[in-house]
Amino acid sequence: RKEVEQDPGPFNVPEGATVAFNCTYSNSASQSFFWYRQDCRKEPKLLMSVYSSGNEDGRFTAQLNRASQYISLLIRDSKLSDSATYLCVVKNTGGFKTIFGAGTRLFVKA
Amino acid sequence: EAQVTQNPRYLITVTGKKLTVTCSQNMNHEYMSWYRQDPGLGLRQIYYSMNVEVTDKGDVPEGYKVSRKEKRNFPLILESPSPNQTSLYFCASSVVGERYNEQFFGPGTRLTVL
Repeated sequence: RKEVEQDPGPFNVPEGATVAFNCTYSNSASQSFFWYRQDCRKEPKLLMSVYSSGNEDGRFTAQLNRASQYISLLIRDSKLSDSATYLCVVKNTGGFKTIFGAGTRLFVKA
Repeated sequence: EAQVTQNPRYLITVTGKKLTVTCSQNMNHEYMSWYRQDPGLGLRQIYYSMNVEVTDKGDVPEGYKVSRKEKRNFPLILESPSPNQTSLYFCASSVVGERYNEQFFGPGTRLTVL
């Protein structure tokens, strides 16, 4: 079993739709959680960190459920520019070893 | 401009010919890391370094070496490349000591081993 698993995708949604990505992790000692965005084989870039209480940044909402070892990302009012691969990232205790999920591809169409 | 640079960006080589991919950051970050990305597998950590002269293995270190003699540089060395090391490689850096520290990635090096 992979340490970090994501929905395989791809997700094809129309502009304006709400889309949710899910991610599960297997190491209960994991300490820090993130969502990164990657455009077409370019370098990943941080989208948002995921805090225990959940957090929101504009159209993006991230949530963490430690009991279920589950992380989610919700994108509201999807834009064409949201088309990308979304990577779930988990850091272990100590914060040095980093595990990436395989990513979920999102296509937003007009 | 704060950045992570990698060289070369593209490389085609043959089995067994030693190569080095350089990585440099100008943000005075203590932490640096190398990843490879393969279709369906996502990014997998090869090696990381918490500071000068301190390195440790990630999940897929076999066939790779690293060194950290200076804070800004973290080269990735393939002593005897093989075709299964054909991949897209990313270098990243970040500060340490913070729980939610962002990793900054270089533009990637696309390596093909024939």
